[in-house]
Amino acid sequence: EDQVTQSPEALRLQEGESSSLNCSYTVSGLRGLFWYRQDPGKGPEFLFTLYSAGEEKEKERLKATLTKKESFLHITAPKPEDSATYLCAVQAKGAQGGSEKLVFGKGTKLTVNP
Amino acid sequence: KAGVTQTPRYLIKTRGQQVTLSCSPISGHRSVSWYQQTPGQGLQFLFEYFSETQRNKGNFPGRFSGRQFSNSRSEMNVSTLELGDSALYLCASSIPGADTQYFGPGTRLTVL
Repeated sequence: EDQVTQSPEALRLQEGESSSLNCSYTVSGLRGLFWYRQDPGKGPEFLFTLYSAGEEKEKERLKATLTKKESFLHITAPKPEDSATYLCAVQAKGAQGGSEKLVFGKGTKLTVNP
Repeated sequence: KAGVTQTPRYLIKTRGQQVTLSCSPISGHRSVSWYQQTPGQGLQFLFEYFSETQRNKGNFPGRFSGRQFSNSRSEMNVSTLELGDSALYLCASSIPGADTQYFGPGTRLTVL
């Protein structure tokens, strides 16, 4: 069964204090690993898709990396507006080649204090 | 381009009632997936529809059902509501063959 574990559950940072969030996964044939950001009361907002080990993607202060067993979301010099819950999800290769379900981790709640 | 829209945004029902939630995907997106989000279980996959056919289903009881219309709009129905059905129900749309799913704002269902 596909599984995703995120750590830590919660992270409190000072503005400008860089850190990383971890996403460990087991999946029967990875089609893609996804990072989303979710603000309270809202739907998840897409950030990145990673497909193969060694791949990296960046967007503003965020950088996502992927290995065969885990992914990291690095946050450089965070600002208070980066406060949110960050969700990691994996998608397995579908037998029919179609879009398969996303299996989500429980998320990391990030708080950045000014 | 308009994003995924979900209606209603909030619902309050009592045990035993049924409820129907609606989702309009991004224009051109023909695949719609539904997820349930609770504090304890996180986001869990309910089902996926493409071309009016259910293509994938999660581990939820038969009280949870859905359908998709020819314009790709989708509805999900929960019958005989239970207290544990209180959750944020999220709809996501994608282009068939593409991987990224884009989420709507969700419908917050409270069962009393």
